[in-house]
Amino acid sequence: AQTVTQSQPEMSVQEAETVTLSCTYDTSESDYYLFWYKQPPSRQMILVIRQEAYKQQNATENRFSVNFQKAAKSFSLKISDSQLGDAAMYFCAYRDRIQGAQKLVFGQGTRLTINP
Amino acid sequence: EAGVAQSPRYKIIEKRQSVAFWCNPISGHATLYWYQQILGQGPKLLIQFQNNGVVDDSQLPKDRFSAERLKGVDSTLKIQPAKLEDSAVYLCASSSGTSGYETYEQYFGPGTRLTVT
Repeated sequence: AQTVTQSQPEMSVQEAETVTLSCTYDTSESDYYLFWYKQPPSRQMILVIRQEAYKQQNATENRFSVNFQKAAKSFSLKISDSQLGDAAMYFCAYRDRIQGAQKLVFGQGTRLTINP
Repeated sequence: EAGVAQSPRYKIIEKRQSVAFWCNPISGHATLYWYQQILGQGPKLLIQFQNNGVVDDSQLPKDRFSAERLKGVDSTLKIQPAKLEDSAVYLCASSSGTSGYETYEQYFGPGTRLTVT
């Protein structure tokens, strides 16, 4: 079974600085998707960024970028120019790219605090 | 476009009572998911529907949990009887995708926070 591990329960960063959240995963599949989701205190989960395993280029979305290391099964999220609105729980998630069921497997989450 | 709607937002019940949660997905979304999120953990899939058929319910405690998706649209998740360990946030999500090969997003509702005392 696929597993996702986030080893940093909590992180904090000064506003306007850069922070990196770590994620490792385990799978025997070669084709899959990886995601970072943000869950603010209101609890509605929002997709931040997505990476397809078959793409070598790291995904970027404005201030958010990933470092995808397929061989190491590592998928970190970098947030540049941190803003107060970035404070939230961040979840790394995995999904098989196969026919049929497409559930998300989540890590335990990292709580990010932004210090003004 | 309206998002995923869930109700109630909060529910407190005593153990051994029953409870039901309701979810209305984004219009036109074929796939609906129920996740359980225990405090301090990531969400875990309980059941996945594609239209009104069950795709994956391998992690649903079937002795006490049941779910249905009415006419391929709304869904209800029921717990009967509830246990203390069922205290969690129950998240509903929906997506337009029906195949793992597709690139699509799962959209989440605000969740229902259940406290079992």
